Amino acid sequence: EDQVTQSPEALRLQEGESSSLNCSYTVSGLRGLFWYRQDPGKGPEFLFTLYSAGEEKEKERLKATLTKKESFLHITAPKPEDSATYLCAVQAIGDAGKSTFGDGTTLTVKP
Amino acid sequence: NAGVTQTPKFRVLKTGQSMTLLCAQDMNHEYMYWYRQDPGMGLRLIHYSVGEGTTAKGEVPDGYNVSRLKKQNFLLGLESAAPSQTSVYFCASSYLGPSNQPQHFGDGTRLSIL
Repeated sequence: EDQVTQSPEALRLQEGESSSLNCSYTVSGLRGLFWYRQDPGKGPEFLFTLYSAGEEKEKERLKATLTKKESFLHITAPKPEDSATYLCAVQAIGDAGKSTFGDGTTLTVKP
Repeated sequence: NAGVTQTPKFRVLKTGQSMTLLCAQDMNHEYMYWYRQDPGMGLRLIHYSVGEGTTAKGEVPDGYNVSRLKKQNFLLGLESAAPSQTSVYFCASSYLGPSNQPQHFGDGTRLSIL
């Protein structure tokens, strides 16, 4: 059974204070790992897809990295508008596009 | 483009009542999914569909039924609502392709069962 564990559950940062979110996963055969951002009262919004160990993707202040067992979402010099819940999900090979989601990390950035 | 649209946005039901949640997508996606999200938790897959006329069970299918009569629509039904089904329901769709495809989500239906 595929499993995704995200840590920490909640993270409070001061504006400009860089940090990382962790996503540990167990999957029979990784087809892809996804990061989503979810704002209160909204559906998740796609950020990145990572396909293989060693891969990195960047978007503004966010950088996602992937190893064989975990992924990190690095946030550099965050701003209050980066406050959101970040969800990690994995797709297994041959799984009809289904994703297994972690419980998310809620990030709060104080000005 | 509207993307993925869910109706209604909010609903309050009494135990034992039935209702249908509607999901519509205008991106011509083959795959569609229904999830529930409870406080402090991630998304749990209820049912999904890989194409028009097909449905399959996800992680937590009990108490729910689905239908996909048209490619753009995916309906989630509760035949006899129970308080344990109080949750936020999200619909998503994705493209069938050779590489990994992210899911596109609606903004959810907030359902309370009294």
